[in-house]
Amino acid sequence: GNSVTQMEGPVTLSEEAFLTINCTYTATGYPSLFWYVQYPGEGLQLLLKATKADDKGSNKGFEATYRKETTSFHLEKGSVQVSDSAVYFCALSRADSNYQLIWGAGTKLIIKP
Amino acid sequence: ETGVTQTPRHLVMGMTNKKSLKCEQHLGHNAMYWYKQSAKKPLELMFVYSLEERVENNSVPSRFSPECPNSSHLFLHLHTLQPEDSALYLCASSQGLRSRSEKLFFGSGTQLSVL
Repeated sequence: GNSVTQMEGPVTLSEEAFLTINCTYTATGYPSLFWYVQYPGEGLQLLLKATKADDKGSNKGFEATYRKETTSFHLEKGSVQVSDSAVYFCALSRADSNYQLIWGAGTKLIIKP
Repeated sequence: ETGVTQTPRHLVMGMTNKKSLKCEQHLGHNAMYWYKQSAKKPLELMFVYSLEERVENNSVPSRFSPECPNSSHLFLHLHTLQPEDSALYLCASSQGLRSRSEKLFFGSGTQLSVL
């Protein structure tokens, strides 16, 4: 079956620290992989995506590489800011559907000044 | 106008009430979605509409009734809900259903509390 596993939060870091949020998946076929972010009081926004193995998605200083050999799509940022505090969701697309996403449970990130 | 607008932002209702959630998208998209977001659980897809036709009803109880009168508007009609239905209900839209890498655009949600 298809599933997404994210590290449990909250993750608490100081400003300018290095960030990694782990995401691993199981899937049939060749899914696309996504990171969405939800800021307090808002809906989710697409942060980045990758559609095939070894692709790197990047946006706003965040990066994630589609690793088929380790079935992972870890989110990284070199230097976090207080404004990065949010909940981050990893998701994959089902091979047999154009609209069904399989979501992780989300990881809350707290950045302290 | 933001891309996807949901009203109301907050709703408290009793188990015998009938209420409706509204979603409007200003992006010219052809597909709209209802999701349920509960604390510490993955998002649950409830319904999907493409060009005003329902293409997914994800085993959702009949106390939730969607309506899509046109490609810009989506409603979720609620009646005789249970306390476990309390959650954040998110509306989303996408250009269509043509690929597995479609970007979803979300509204800010309606926080529903069922007493």
